[in-house]
Amino acid sequence: SQKIEQNSEALNIQEGKTATLTCNYTNYSPAYLQWYRQDPGRGPVFLLLIRENEKEKRKERLKVTFDTTLKQSLFHITASQPADSATYLCALGGAGNNRKLIWGLGTSLAVNP
Amino acid sequence: GAGVSQSPSNKVTEKGKDVELRCDPISGHTALYWYRQSLGQGLEFLIYFQGNSAPDKSGLPSDRFSAERTGGSVSTLTIQRTQQEDSAVYLCACAGGELFFGEGSRLTVL
Repeated sequence: SQKIEQNSEALNIQEGKTATLTCNYTNYSPAYLQWYRQDPGRGPVFLLLIRENEKEKRKERLKVTFDTTLKQSLFHITASQPADSATYLCALGGAGNNRKLIWGLGTSLAVNP
Repeated sequence: GAGVSQSPSNKVTEKGKDVELRCDPISGHTALYWYRQSLGQGLEFLIYFQGNSAPDKSGLPSDRFSAERTGGSVSTLTIQRTQQEDSAVYLCACAGGELFFGEGSRLTVL
């Protein structure tokens, strides 16, 4: 069956460092992958989308890579700030069909001042 | 409105009661989704509305769950005869490419 895994352990890093979060998947060939941020008691907020034919996507301090051979996406936050502390979710999608998004459980990131 | 609005934000009910959860999506977004998020679980797809098409109900966990979308805008998720395992956060999202989520309705069934 389709499976998606994110770092199960919470990630604690020092302010200013780069945070790297991992999303691995099996038994699936997604057309795209999305990353969302979720704060406690809030709904997820979209951050970035990367398509299967893209290797890397950047947005301000965020960078996402997508390796369809390794079946892995890496999510990087450079120059991290305490305000980046949240849970980060990855979701895999098939072509043109958001209802088939497969969600990871998320990775909790804490950036310490 | 500016974002997706859900109500109530919190609902505590007794087992066996019916509950209604409301979602007011972003104006003009024709696709609307309901998800359920439980502690330690990933987001679980429940139902999808797209324009005038028949909704995709394939994610509804039982026939106690139903949803409507009136006038292509506001949606209501109804859970009849609630059970303790229905306790979760129910999230509504509308799509403009990526998903725009509401803040969720936290349901606790005692």
